[in-house]
Amino acid sequence: RKEVEQDPGPFNVPEGATVAFNCTYSNSASQSFFWYRQDCRKEPKLLMSVYSSGNEDGRFTAQLNRASQYISLLIRDSKLSDSATYLCVVTPTDSWGKLQFGAGTQVVVTP
Amino acid sequence: GAVVSQHPSWVICKSGTSVKIECRSLDFQATTMFWYRQFPKQSLMLMATSNEGSKATYEQGVEKDKFLINHASLTLSTLTVTSAHPEDSSFYICSATFKERRGDTQYFGPGTRLTVL
Repeated sequence: RKEVEQDPGPFNVPEGATVAFNCTYSNSASQSFFWYRQDCRKEPKLLMSVYSSGNEDGRFTAQLNRASQYISLLIRDSKLSDSATYLCVVTPTDSWGKLQFGAGTQVVVTP
Repeated sequence: GAVVSQHPSWVICKSGTSVKIECRSLDFQATTMFWYRQFPKQSLMLMATSNEGSKATYEQGVEKDKFLINHASLTLSTLTVTSAHPEDSSFYICSATFKERRGDTQYFGPGTRLTVL
């Protein structure tokens, strides 16, 4: 079983619509959680950290459910520029700095 | 934000040759650098952790004699793929961080796309 699992998509989303997707992680002791964005053939870029209380950054909302071991990302009022692959990232407690990446969820926003 | 560069951005080489990839932190001193590899449609996989002045720590299944890592200074780490073969073709990405506190942000380089013919 993969340590971080994501639905690969693609999620085809009309411009202006809302899209949400989850990521599950296997290590219950995982410490930190992030969403990264990766454009085609580019490096990943940090989108937002995910906190236990949930957090929002503009049109993006992230939630963490430790009991069920998943995190979610919701994008409101989707823009064409939101088209990308969204990577779920988890850090284990026993190794400082190590990031465990999911394979990503592809989002395609259409006009 | 902090900037990390990689060179070259892409390279094509013949099977059996060695390829060196450089990772530089441009405006901060990176106490730790990480090397990742990403195959198409797959997640980034950590290959090794590199601390300045010490030997790299390799992840399970990564051959240290094939993927040579040198972290000679606080701003430069290099990854050398020795005797490259077509199965080594991949997107290699480095990241750099500094220990302000545990769980600090990693700053990623733009990646190097390696194609081995």
